[in-house]
Amino acid sequence: DAKTTQPNSMESNEEEPVHLPCNHSTISGTDYIHWYRQLPSQGPEYVIHGLTSNVNNRMASLAIAEDRKSSTLILHRATLRDAAVYYCILSVNYGQNFVFGPGTRLSVLP
Amino acid sequence: NAGVMQNPRHLVRRRGQEARLRCSPMKGHSHVYWYRQLPEEGLKFMVYLQKENIIDESGMPKERFSAEFPKEGPSILRIQQVVRGDSAAYFCASSPFAGPYEQYFGPGTRLTVT
Repeated sequence: DAKTTQPNSMESNEEEPVHLPCNHSTISGTDYIHWYRQLPSQGPEYVIHGLTSNVNNRMASLAIAEDRKSSTLILHRATLRDAAVYYCILSVNYGQNFVFGPGTRLSVLP
Repeated sequence: NAGVMQNPRHLVRRRGQEARLRCSPMKGHSHVYWYRQLPEEGLKFMVYLQKENIIDESGMPKERFSAEFPKEGPSILRIQQVVRGDSAAYFCASSPFAGPYEQYFGPGTRLTVT
């Protein structure tokens, strides 16, 4: 299975940008890169996804390296509500199977 | 539009009993995915179903676990003869299409086996 590697934890100050890295050196050409986040005692929530090009939405931006072996989730201005575990996920098998990484626990300091 | 619904939210079973977990996908979604999350770990894919069909069950344990998504009604994840190691949070997700699209997750069912 394609795997992802993320830092176990990161800290950010409120109102500052956050860059969450993810390595996926074994990614194949058809694997999409997804980011989800999970608050305590809740189900994961979709953040963003992409294949090759950088992507932007109202929640975040996704920067994908040219060789696709790494990506970075960018939260432009962290708020206290952004404190969560962020999962970098590869959707293998043409998207029918999400392979969750270990996740990064993001703490946001006021 | 109601989100993905799961019930019960909490389920306690004694060893050897059966556990039935239900998932109602979002309206118009015909693709359902089940995941298991052990304490302090990430989610692990279990099974992917479309209406009346199991598409991918590569993450399902070979024994005691089964899943269905009938033409009418919710998707059911069934665990027979539960053991303590089955204690976990079980999440289902749904999507409107097959492929690498957004999956909408439910709140999960927390199973405790005593």
